[in-house]
Amino acid sequence: AQSVTQPDIHITVSEGASLELRCNYSYGATPYLFWYVQSPGQGLQLLLKYFSGDTLVQGIKGFEAEFKRSQSSFNLRKPSVHWSDAAEYFCAMRSNFGNEKLTFGTGTRLTIIP
Amino acid sequence: GAVVSQHPSWVICKSGTSVKIECRSLDFQATTMFWYRQFPKQSLMLMATSNEGSKATYEQGVEKDKFLINHASLTLSTLTVTSAHPEDSSFYICSARSEAASLTYSPLHFGNGTRLTVT
Repeated sequence: AQSVTQPDIHITVSEGASLELRCNYSYGATPYLFWYVQSPGQGLQLLLKYFSGDTLVQGIKGFEAEFKRSQSSFNLRKPSVHWSDAAEYFCAMRSNFGNEKLTFGTGTRLTIIP
Repeated sequence: GAVVSQHPSWVICKSGTSVKIECRSLDFQATTMFWYRQFPKQSLMLMATSNEGSKATYEQGVEKDKFLINHASLTLSTLTVTSAHPEDSSFYICSARSEAASLTYSPLHFGNGTRLTVT
């Protein structure tokens, strides 16, 4: 069965510091991978996605993620966080043969301190 | 583009009543929409896949008679929580994919969710 693991439930980072949120997946092939951000009481906004090709993908709001097949990982990074980045971040995957169902990780809550 | 609108954003209802939540794709057509449920501080769990013009496909463990889904047009899907009980209180989020996009390379777009509280 496919699954997504986000090992960190909660991360606190100082404003201006770098950020890395971890995501690992379990799937028999290379899945399609996504990172979404959710502000309190809101829906999800797509930050970036990986389907194929270049393993380093750029997203919105200065985020990037790197797909590493050998580690089954798709970690999200940002070189310098802003207070507005405080939110819940979800890594998600879907299969690559047309099934649109997204499997989500449990999420990582990001807190930014001044 | 690719905006998904959900209404209402929050609703409070009494136990035993029914509540309808609407999910609209504002600037694109969507044959398929998805309904998720999110418990506090937890991830999203897929409840069902809503198919325009046909019956919804429910995930295992989701009561189809309790969570009625209707997808009457290419821009509207509704989720009705029937005979609601306090344990149905949750955050419900819908998502959709543009029909104009390739199935393989298009991501899902999410609504802003509906907070349901059953008293």
